[in-house]
Amino acid sequence: GQSLEQPSEVTAVEGAIVQINCTYQTSGFYGLSWYQQHDGGAPTFLSYNALDGLEETGRFSSFLSRSDSYGYLLLQELQMKDSASYFCAVRRGTGGGNKLTFGTGTQLKVEL
Amino acid sequence: DVKVTQSSRYLVKRTGEKVFLECVQDMDHENMFWYRQDPGLGLRLIYFSYDVKMKEKGDIPEGYSVSREKKERFSLILESASTNQTSMYLCASEQGSYGYTFGSGTRLTVV
Repeated sequence: GQSLEQPSEVTAVEGAIVQINCTYQTSGFYGLSWYQQHDGGAPTFLSYNALDGLEETGRFSSFLSRSDSYGYLLLQELQMKDSASYFCAVRRGTGGGNKLTFGTGTQLKVEL
Repeated sequence: DVKVTQSSRYLVKRTGEKVFLECVQDMDHENMFWYRQDPGLGLRLIYFSYDVKMKEKGDIPEGYSVSREKKERFSLILESASTNQTSMYLCASEQGSYGYTFGSGTRLTVV
């Protein structure tokens, strides 16, 4: 089976840096994705790591270590609008289509 | 921008009814997916399709079926709705990249 673990809640202040960790156990691992979801909204794609290392996209970076079955999402210069839920998701490559298994999400609260 | 449109934002149905949730994407994507989202459980894959008339079960297919007669449309069917199927249903599509585009979701309440 597949399982992903991420913290349920994280709180940080505006302007700070926050790291959301994700550990996973899965068969047929192809990569790790991150999604953001605001309350009442649809999840939106943030990043994808297929190889070990750090990927940077503006204020957001994502890291993967395949040997440790671990990844994280790093958010810098936090803004109030970053308050949302963040989901890690493992891409499984068996069969057709890029199936994703999602974690249960981390609710990030940004405070003044 | 890719658009994934789900036909209803909110639905209320009675136990035992047959329920159809419709999803349409406008970018000729091969792959389409249905997830349900419940508090504390994240998003769970119900069914997916990687081509017209092709479908595969996800992690929680029991009580559901799907139909993909045209590439742009992927329907989720609850054969006989039950209260434990009250949930947020999210449709997504994807083409060769690693990012899904999700619809806005349908919040289904079964009473």
